[in-house]
Amino acid sequence: RKEVEQDPGPFNVPEGATVAFNCTYSNSASQSFFWYRQDCRKEPKLLMSVYSSGNEDGRFTAQLNRASQYISLLIRDSKLSDSATYLCVVKEAAGYSTLTFGKGTMLLVSP
Amino acid sequence: DGGITQSPKYLFRKEGQNVTLSCEQNLNHDAMYWYRQDPGQGLRLIYYSQIVNDFQKGDIAEGYSVSREKKESFPLTVTSAQKNPTAFYLCGVGGIPYNEQFFGPGTRLTVL
Repeated sequence: RKEVEQDPGPFNVPEGATVAFNCTYSNSASQSFFWYRQDCRKEPKLLMSVYSSGNEDGRFTAQLNRASQYISLLIRDSKLSDSATYLCVVKEAAGYSTLTFGKGTMLLVSP
Repeated sequence: DGGITQSPKYLFRKEGQNVTLSCEQNLNHDAMYWYRQDPGQGLRLIYYSQIVNDFQKGDIAEGYSVSREKKESFPLTVTSAQKNPTAFYLCGVGGIPYNEQFFGPGTRLTVL
């Protein structure tokens, strides 16, 4: 069974802190990887794709380790508005493959 | 205004009733998906369609049905055979060359 595992949290951090989320996936043939953000009672929104060489978008950095089947998301200088649930998502194959979602990690940023 | 629309936003159903959830998109994506999300859970795939007049079962298709008569539309019917339909239903779209999926605002279904 294809699985994506995440620490559910919550992670409680003060504003300005750096926080890291981890995710593992079971299917070694997985092709593509993403982080989505989901606010309470809202739809998931794409935060960033994760590339093999690692990638950065402002305060957010994503890393992929294919050998360990491990994905990470680092958030620097946390803002109150970063409070949300972060979903680790894996695409199993190229083309019109389906996505497998982790259950999400909740982040709470406090003043 | 573009994107993905789902209606209604909230839906209440009596036991034994069938209800249909609407999903429309004007992004010209070929593939459309239906997921359900239960509290504290990840999204689980119900059905998906890669092309008009064709669709496949996902992981939890029992008690649901779909149709894909137009590229823009992918309605989901929750039948009375679905034992526990109370959930948040999300419609996703995506297609080559994009790997990502994008989601509508969702429909929250409650069985009374």
